[in-house]
Amino acid sequence: EAGVAQSPRYKIIEKRQSVAFWCNPISGHATLYWYQQILGQGPKLLIQFQNNGVVDDSQLPKDRFSAERLKGVDSTLKIQPAKLEDSAVYLCASRSAGGADTQYFGPGTRLTVL
Amino acid sequence: AQSVTQLDSHVSVSEGTPVLLRCNYSSSYSPSLFWYVQHPNKGLQLLLKYTSAATLVKGINGFEAEFKKSETSFHLTKPSAHMSDAAEYFCVVSVPGGSYIPTFGRGTSLIVHP
Repeated sequence: EAGVAQSPRYKIIEKRQSVAFWCNPISGHATLYWYQQILGQGPKLLIQFQNNGVVDDSQLPKDRFSAERLKGVDSTLKIQPAKLEDSAVYLCASRSAGGADTQYFGPGTRLTVL
Repeated sequence: AQSVTQLDSHVSVSEGTPVLLRCNYSSSYSPSLFWYVQHPNKGLQLLLKYTSAATLVKGINGFEAEFKKSETSFHLTKPSAHMSDAAEYFCVVSVPGGSYIPTFGRGTSLIVHP
């Protein structure tokens, strides 16, 4: 079975620029997560989708971050405008709605904001 | 509310000696508990999980963990460390079912000396 796909793997931008990340979850997985992992820290949940609806986005900085999951499959996470402190790895994970709570993670996108 | 505390930011062992990575949790409900491993520049991989079945859980690569409700602990162990075990390890707690919003610990870096 194919895993969670993410692109790009690496991105370098200037502060105040915009950036978008893409995630394709495991086929049939209804739940999708976006995490931010700053160097030396554990992943922090940004947003959780169930199909194409938002379950939790309490830690998403909504003034600059946005995410969508059209048709309940692929998802995009956007940052506009980026700040220096947004430098991190952005992880996408998916989970089967009927599964025993195991999340499957993609390889992540490493963002550097200069 | 739920939380997880990984008691050591770094653990250093010699190859062939036992590994112990400590994790304590707090949860208002019966939790699901997970250990994930992250090798450099790689995605998170599930090592093992506890979901209210047997309290001693065996995972991949010779790792195991024991759920101790009285101590609210879920420590990860391995009898004999290999060089390839050097990585970052994350303990995760969640309340199963429904929205399943997981909480990550800060991580423990395992260093294995030859």
